[in-house]
Amino acid sequence: GAGVSQTPSNKVTEKGKYVELRCDPISGHTALYWYRQSLGQGPEFLIYFQGTGAADDSGLPNDRFFAVRPEGSVSTLKIQRTERGDSAVYLCASSLGARGNTDTQYFGPGTRLTVL
Amino acid sequence: KQEVTQIPAALSVPEGENLVLNCSFTDSAIYNLQWFRQDPGKGLTSLLLIQSSQREQTSGRLNASLDKSSGRSTLYIAASQPGDSATYLCAPGANNLFFGTGTRLTVIP
Repeated sequence: GAGVSQTPSNKVTEKGKYVELRCDPISGHTALYWYRQSLGQGPEFLIYFQGTGAADDSGLPNDRFFAVRPEGSVSTLKIQRTERGDSAVYLCASSLGARGNTDTQYFGPGTRLTVL
Repeated sequence: KQEVTQIPAALSVPEGENLVLNCSFTDSAIYNLQWFRQDPGKGLTSLLLIQSSQREQTSGRLNASLDKSSGRSTLYIAASQPGDSATYLCAPGANNLFFGTGTRLTVIP
């Protein structure tokens, strides 16, 4: 079956602009995660959804970052007033979410965001 | 906050060698631990998941162990192949995963 997909694969924007990054999880997965990976680093947690609600958003760096999952499937990560430091690869993952989050997380290919 | 350390940072071995990658973490209150591989410019591919109640998991030439009380996990790769060349990341998890910076493995033909 289809894996996690993310669009766009690459996004170049100018400082101060607004961007939206999209994640399509594996069908039937109720848990969805966003991570951010800077060059040479491991991924860093941003936010976790269980169904439609954000169960843990403690990783969002500031109020310029926001994510939604209105129907419990597709999620959109929104970044306002982008800064050069936001440049990174944004990774999305999903899991079944059925056993208190002890399930395997499956990752998408990521969106490479470059802020000029 | 969970801190994850992976040693060595980089490893180069000839094809056919067995090797061990090490991972340590500071907070033992985890649900599970996953090992991933990441190829350059790509996303993460899950290799193994060990539940917190388990001691090890095996998949093909890979064997991962977990000692939750001491905050350690190892990934053993048998009979390494050039296709195993990648960065390997361990990630202990609760509601979300915490990552180290990985071990970059090169298997020389």
